[in-house]
Amino acid sequence: AQSVTQLGSHVSVSEGALVLLRCNYSSSVPPYLFWYVQYPNQGLQLLLKYTSAATLVKGINGFEAEFKKSETSFHLTKPSAHMSDAAEYFCAVSDQSGGGADGLTFGKGTHLIIQP
Amino acid sequence: NAGVTQTPKFQVLKTGQSMTLQCAQDMNHNSMYWYRQDPGMGLRLIYYSASEGTTDKGEVPNGYNVSRLNKREFSLRLESAAPSQTSVYFCASSESRKSPLHFGNGTRLTVT
Repeated sequence: AQSVTQLGSHVSVSEGALVLLRCNYSSSVPPYLFWYVQYPNQGLQLLLKYTSAATLVKGINGFEAEFKKSETSFHLTKPSAHMSDAAEYFCAVSDQSGGGADGLTFGKGTHLIIQP
Repeated sequence: NAGVTQTPKFQVLKTGQSMTLQCAQDMNHNSMYWYRQDPGMGLRLIYYSASEGTTDKGEVPNGYNVSRLNKREFSLRLESAAPSQTSVYFCASSESRKSPLHFGNGTRLTVT
């Protein structure tokens, strides 16, 4: 079964600084990987996805993530943080083995705080 | 362009009461899901439906039942609510079992 670990339940950065949110996965086969963002009192919105094409994936709102198989990582980055980036971010993995439940397995989330 | 619509948005139940959470999607998606979100736990899959007429258990199915009424609608029922079911419930849909999920805005349920 696959699993996702997000390092840091809270990350605080200054406005204009680099954003780095960490995600490591475990999977028996090459997975599909996703980052979602959740703003207060809303559902989750897809930021970007990796589906075995290019290892560097660009998403919405200036975010990108790099798939590193050797490190089993899929960290999310943004060069310059904006106040509007303050939200909860979730990394998720999809089982491509053909077995197991459908849907995605989510990490526990990282709350991104932007300091003015 | 509604996407995934959940009703109600908020609900307060007493222990032992029952209720049904409704979900409908207008994207002609085959797969639908129910997740619960608890602080520090991320999202956990309760039940899913890969296609009309089929349902399967996820990670945390105990205390819940589901119905895939048609391709658009997927409901979640709590037969006898317990305080441990206090949570935010999200419905989601996807084009296929491995595609990205599209989420509704959630139902915030409190069981006292």
